[in-house]
Amino acid sequence: GAVVSQHPSRVICKSGTSVKIECRSLDFQATTMFWYRQFPKKSLMLMATSNEGSKATYEQGVEKDKFLINHASLTLSTLTVTSAHPEDSSFYICSVGGYGNQPQHFGDGTRLSIL
Amino acid sequence: RKEVEQDPGPFNVPEGATVAFNCTYSNSASQSFFWYRQDCRKEPKLLMSVYSSGNEDGRFTAQLNRASQYISLLIRDSKLSDSATYLCVVNKGSNYQLIWGAGTKLIIKP
Repeated sequence: GAVVSQHPSRVICKSGTSVKIECRSLDFQATTMFWYRQFPKKSLMLMATSNEGSKATYEQGVEKDKFLINHASLTLSTLTVTSAHPEDSSFYICSVGGYGNQPQHFGDGTRLSIL
Repeated sequence: RKEVEQDPGPFNVPEGATVAFNCTYSNSASQSFFWYRQDCRKEPKLLMSVYSSGNEDGRFTAQLNRASQYISLLIRDSKLSDSATYLCVVNKGSNYQLIWGAGTKLIIKP
């Protein structure tokens, strides 16, 4: 399966800070990447679909101005949590793949803690 | 009704036992089905895809029942290392968007 690298793995910062998370597809040219969020003991929730060279598609209830997504190349998508607040603390994971009947493969995830 | 539903558990099972989980899905147009495993505070990792005819990978067997809209996972001869949360994943009809179950927690005890 695809190899996905996500960075950073852990972020702790003060309320009001903007945090940028990178997702790289190391061996697969991904026109589409997915950004998920997972709160403790909850299922993964798709936040948005990142599209190379065009705007991301956001799920209902996800603020596009709060969670900025940029997919400038076939191997890199970034998620920026702007002016983060404690309620944004969560586990953010990106994935690639899922075309046809193929599974998605995940980055290691970023655990974000906003104080 | 949730789009993908799983018993959250936990299932406490002695080492060596056989354990089975079910997962139901609501979208009859779903075409792709997967089981992922997620360890605590880690990303999900693909365990196996689920095929119409059922499939086996070592100690793991997955089954699909389209008529009743459920998939199952059977783990034989369970190991301590099988302790994890098992996530049922279904695609959303004709596109590749995935819907995730909340997971079933499995604890294998020595």
